[in-house]
Amino acid sequence: GAVVSQHPSWVICKSGTSVKIECRSLDFQATTMFWYRQFPKQSLMLMATSNEGSKATYEQGVEKDKFLINHASLTLSTLTVTSAHPEDSSFYICSASGTRTDTQYFGPGTRLTVL
Amino acid sequence: TQLLEQSPQFLSIQEGENLTVYCNSSSVFSSLQWYRQEPGEGPVLLVTVVTGGEVKKLKRLTFQFGDARKDSSLHITAAQPGDTGLYLCAGAMVGGADGLTFGKGTHLIIQP
Repeated sequence: GAVVSQHPSWVICKSGTSVKIECRSLDFQATTMFWYRQFPKQSLMLMATSNEGSKATYEQGVEKDKFLINHASLTLSTLTVTSAHPEDSSFYICSASGTRTDTQYFGPGTRLTVL
Repeated sequence: TQLLEQSPQFLSIQEGENLTVYCNSSSVFSSLQWYRQEPGEGPVLLVTVVTGGEVKKLKRLTFQFGDARKDSSLHITAAQPGDTGLYLCAGAMVGGADGLTFGKGTHLIIQP
């Protein structure tokens, strides 16, 4: 099956610093990648959708200047949380699909803790 | 308004019992996926259904897509402690934007 990796698995950082999370599709080309956020005991909340080579589309309420998304190749997308604050602490999960609205394959997630 | 209503939200049953999780919407979906997620991990795809009325089986799990492609169910037979986890349904809306619409999830606990 399709494999998606995320790096790092978990990260702890100080308030005000920036954190970059990588999402890679290992055995297929992902034309579309998605970034989700998940709080404890809750479902996934879509933050943004990115297509290779174009600007990401952000969901309502998600600050594009705070959550920078880059999808420079068909196998790599990055999410950078800029000037992180404790309220940004969450579980961030990416997913990738080969075609629009096709099945999405999820990465293992990144646990971000901002002190 | 939640586009995909998933129920129940929490369920705890004894090993060996059967259960059904429901996913309902007023919208039509071109496809619907079921995922299982364990704490601290990403969701793992269980099945994708695309045809109205479709039934798929995965060992003790049976998935059904409604005829009108607005609802789906997951039935587990003789549940095992290893089935414990968060079950998520997610659909791709017809004519909708990219991405999946997720239900709120069902937290399932199977007690030995």
